[in-house]
Amino acid sequence: DVKVTQSSRYLVKRTGEKVFLECVQDMDHENMFWYRQDPGLGLRLIYFSYDVKMKEKGDIPEGYSVSREKKERFSLILESASTNQTSMYLCATRRVNYGYTFGSGTRLTVV
Amino acid sequence: EDQVTQSPEALRLQEGESSSLNCSYTVSGLRGLFWYRQDPGKGPEFLFTLYSAGEEKEKERLKATLTKKESFLHITAPKPEDSATYLCAVQSGGGSNYKLTFGKGTLLTVNP
Repeated sequence: DVKVTQSSRYLVKRTGEKVFLECVQDMDHENMFWYRQDPGLGLRLIYFSYDVKMKEKGDIPEGYSVSREKKERFSLILESASTNQTSMYLCATRRVNYGYTFGSGTRLTVV
Repeated sequence: EDQVTQSPEALRLQEGESSSLNCSYTVSGLRGLFWYRQDPGKGPEFLFTLYSAGEEKEKERLKATLTKKESFLHITAPKPEDSATYLCAVQSGGGSNYKLTFGKGTLLTVNP
């Protein structure tokens, strides 16, 4: 089975900090995605990557950037964390016929 | 722009009381419709993929069906452990566009 591992389950950061969320997959999949999930808003796509060093903006990229230096690792970066970025962040990799396989999520609180 | 609407937002059932969840969608060329289950504090877990109208998939007490405008997730004789949020998502477009558009989910609670 595909495993998607997010480095932290819970994070608390201060406003203005630079925050790194890490995601690692173990199945050599080309496509990786970052979503955030908020009550009443559902899952919204932040960024995705279809290959090493390749990235595309999703629906809500403002305030975020990404890095994919190796195929198995996709990082989400909050350049200067703000309270409105408090959310559940979900990483996923694409698996043929299965849509996405998700990680367990990182619940980020910005204070 | 692809749109996915799930109803109801929340559903409360008694154990054994069968029901259905609805997912209505508008897409420009459906490439797949996906159902996921999500437990509190966890990532969504894949349930089914449907590709064309008339297709059906089953897994234990769950059965997913697809028409040209909507999908249903039927739950037969549910148990408390079926309590979760059920998410529907669609993939459209072609080429390397694997973006999924999600609905907001239906929160299912099954009481013993």
